[in-house]
Amino acid sequence: AEKVIQVWSTASRQEGEELTLDCSYETSQVLYHLFWYKHLLSGEMVFLIRQTSSSTAKERSGRYSVVFQKSLKSISLIISALQPDDSGKYFCALWESSSGSWQLIFGSGTQLTVMP
Amino acid sequence: VTLLEQNPRWRLVPRGQAVNLRCILKNSQYPWMSWYQQDLQKQLQWLFTLRSPGDKEVKSLPGADYLATRVTDTELRLQVANMSQGRTLYCTCSAALRTISNERLFFGHGTKLSVL
Repeated sequence: AEKVIQVWSTASRQEGEELTLDCSYETSQVLYHLFWYKHLLSGEMVFLIRQTSSSTAKERSGRYSVVFQKSLKSISLIISALQPDDSGKYFCALWESSSGSWQLIFGSGTQLTVMP
Repeated sequence: VTLLEQNPRWRLVPRGQAVNLRCILKNSQYPWMSWYQQDLQKQLQWLFTLRSPGDKEVKSLPGADYLATRVTDTELRLQVANMSQGRTLYCTCSAALRTISNERLFFGHGTKLSVL
């Protein structure tokens, strides 16, 4: 069964608009981390923002912010004031550990196109 | 300039046969090398992280058995056996083990395996 689900495989917006990317996940761990990454054509996964399961703070980093609904096992990435350079593939990822080992699982990604 | 060279890019694997994959690191600044598998649902999952020449690990997952070897400072190998379902294997590199924060994480182009 999929552990990290990104329902939308593609999205498109106009420059200046705001976008919300949704992600749901499954875990039995109490402590875990959720990440949003942007995948560049060079192959680099650029870290955008992190949400720790134990935190109630509304995480924000520049134009990126998240909406974390722990009870629903959902985390959304909000990108404000979209720019054409924001185009790319965005991945949600779950980091969890159990029995001394850890795993990082990415969703299938959402390809974003921002039109000028 | 790509940091990681993966070969082959695609391989057809007769059922029951094993296949060997190679990943070559081009920049020693990012010595932590890992393998990720991407299943048919496009979900990416971490498999192994090997730092030092001589490091070896094995893992069995639904649909395939894996043996990873860090051959040299610049070469990582993966043997895939007993594969029952196609998948894509990605090699990554980073400067540190804990890529869960803002460490740079680079992905290779991937090797797609199909079962004959």
